[in-house]
Amino acid sequence: DAGVIQSPRHEVTEMGQEVTLRCKPISGHNSLFWYRQTMMRGLELLIYFNNNVPIDDSGMPEDRFSAKMPNASFSTLKIQPSEPRDSAVYFCASSFGTLELFFGEGSRLTVL
Amino acid sequence: GENVEQHPSTLSVQEGDSAVIKCTYSDSASNYFPWYKQELGKGPQLIIDIRSNVGEKKDQRIAVTLNKTAKHFSLHITETQPEDSAVYFCAASMVTGGFKTIFGAGTRLFVKA
Repeated sequence: DAGVIQSPRHEVTEMGQEVTLRCKPISGHNSLFWYRQTMMRGLELLIYFNNNVPIDDSGMPEDRFSAKMPNASFSTLKIQPSEPRDSAVYFCASSFGTLELFFGEGSRLTVL
Repeated sequence: GENVEQHPSTLSVQEGDSAVIKCTYSDSASNYFPWYKQELGKGPQLIIDIRSNVGEKKDQRIAVTLNKTAKHFSLHITETQPEDSAVYFCAASMVTGGFKTIFGAGTRLFVKA
């Protein structure tokens, strides 16, 4: 059974470039979450969707960040323009009913 | 909003000893408290959870306790093994329509053989 699939696993880019991270949730799950993990701030909730609708985006750091969920099987997190302080591991997680979050393996972003 | 504090940040124990990780939360409306284990290069994975109407829950070598009055909850691992070495996160969730899970800062557990 496929888990949450994230791509790319690693991304190295230069400051100012656009970054797009992708997530495919577990089939049948109706909630999707984007988290950012850094040593300094731990696991921060950026945004979550329920039935493809953004419910709470209060964790999105600033206007450079945007997230979309055009259908139940795909979500993107975009950073434009990227900055060095955006370097982190970005996790996508999905859930259905039970409150348990199923995490992907993360996308490690390095902005030079 | 909810704030979850977790202690200690690092814990080193001898194989076979017990490990205890403690968390506090701020929002009395939180009613679900999961614990996740994260191994190197992986995403966090749920290991045990407790709801606000329960004071204690046990699953083999792992137990969680919850004190709603004090807003404290703890993870207890007995008879630790080297494979228990990982980062452990406590979290608090509020079930309101969708749900929102806020994590503690994590505890890096080392189990020495």
